[in-house]
Parts: sequence; structure tokens; C-alpha cells
Amino acid sequence: QSALTQPRSVSGSPGQSVTISCSGTSNDIGFSNYVSWYQQHPGKAPKVMIYDVTKRPSGVPDRFSGSKSGNTASLTISGLQADDEADYYCSSYGNTFPFVFGPGTKVTVL
Amino acid sequence: EVQLVESGGGLVQPGRSLRLSCAASGFTFDDYAIHWVRQRPGKGLEWVSGISWNSASVASADSVKGRFTISRDNAKNALYLQMNSLTVDDTAFYFCAKDRSQQLVGRVLDVWGQGTMVTVSP
Repeated sequence: QSALTQPRSVSGSPGQSVTISCSGTSNDIGFSNYVSWYQQHPGKAPKVMIYDVTKRPSGVPDRFSGSKSGNTASLTISGLQADDEADYYCSSYGNTFPFVFGPGTKVTVL
Repeated sequence: EVQLVESGGGLVQPGRSLRLSCAASGFTFDDYAIHWVRQRPGKGLEWVSGISWNSASVASADSVKGRFTISRDNAKNALYLQMNSLTVDDTAFYFCAKDRSQQLVGRVLDVWGQGTMVTVSP
């Protein structure tokens, strides 16, 4: 069972925005600036989309943005595109272990 | 090209052992902490184990503690995972992944291998 909580699925039409929440506690998201988000297409390895809560790695479109408020982090995808359809996982540094992952959210582009 | 390539997966009976390897290239291997992350079929990501740049710090998830041992050989640019007393619950794709940090601070896994499948079955 994941220590972080994410919605099982979110959906949106092309061009719309979707936001995925990731809820934790004061022992992980609440106290850490090391929150990251990963995109995983079926049969592929995960790819980091956001790290350090808000930073985008080189090559990741600026349609992807991250934020955090209290014990909850969020990933927003603006201008939704067909290729954004994938599973998204949040992760945070935790008190006990270096990485704690959320259960994943399936993003569907309608 | 920055790359991680896992190997060593396969079919193994419960109670047996397996050793996974991860070969790194395209970056200064001994500058970074490296981790193993697994994904059971149809399930989410689970952090398994991590090791700091100089092997001084290691950590493992409770689910594998005492059974799995992570190690690295910086001279060979290689990471290993020795898995003992395997159970059917260990059946998963195993990924190695590089952190941006030297230490086990869980910053971000910015480079991932393609994974190797471990199947534990009678």
C-alpha cells in the first residue's frame, strides 16, 4: 500500500488542462522539497517530468508544471495532447526511505 | 548517450536466488546514488533499494530487507541486486535508476533502464 494518495484516473479532451493531486503527510511531501513526477507509457520505463516540486528536466514541454501546498503536491498538464495519455506517478523523499511512490494515476485523453 | 541496462532476470523457483546487474554508460557513475525500483505486473512503482555514490549508505524497503542486497562496483560502472529467498510476491519488472544526488536523499530518478523481468514460480 502506497504512503501517497493519487486519484486512480483523470481525463480531459485535447487542449484542456488536467491536474493530478498527490497527498502525503508531514513526514514526506509536507517537509520535503524533493517531490517528483514520472510519466510511464505502457511497456516503457518511467520518465521524469517534474523534480524538486516545480522543475522541468530539459526536453519536457512547459505544458507540464508542478506545485505543492502543505502535504499535497500537484501535477498540471496544460494543452492536453494524445501522447500525454499515460500513467503518472508522484514520488517524495520520506522520513524512512529515499523514495515513496504514489499508486499512479491514469490520464486518458478523450 | 546516458544509459542504464539491466540484466539477469528470468524464471526462478520460490526460495531460490537471483542476481541482477545494471550496466551504466554515458555519465560519471561514481558521482551518483543508484536505486532499484520494481513494478509488479499491472501494478505501480515500488522503490526496492538504493546505494550512495561510495557505497557508504544503503537502504532497502521493508518488503525485501534481509533478503535483497544492493551493491555497486564503481570501477566497472555496475550496480547489482542479490536477491535471496525469493517469493512469488517478488515477481516484477526490476528497473535500475540514477538519482541526481550522491547521497540517499531521494531527490529524483532522472535516468532509468528498460528493466529486467523476474518471475518467481514453482
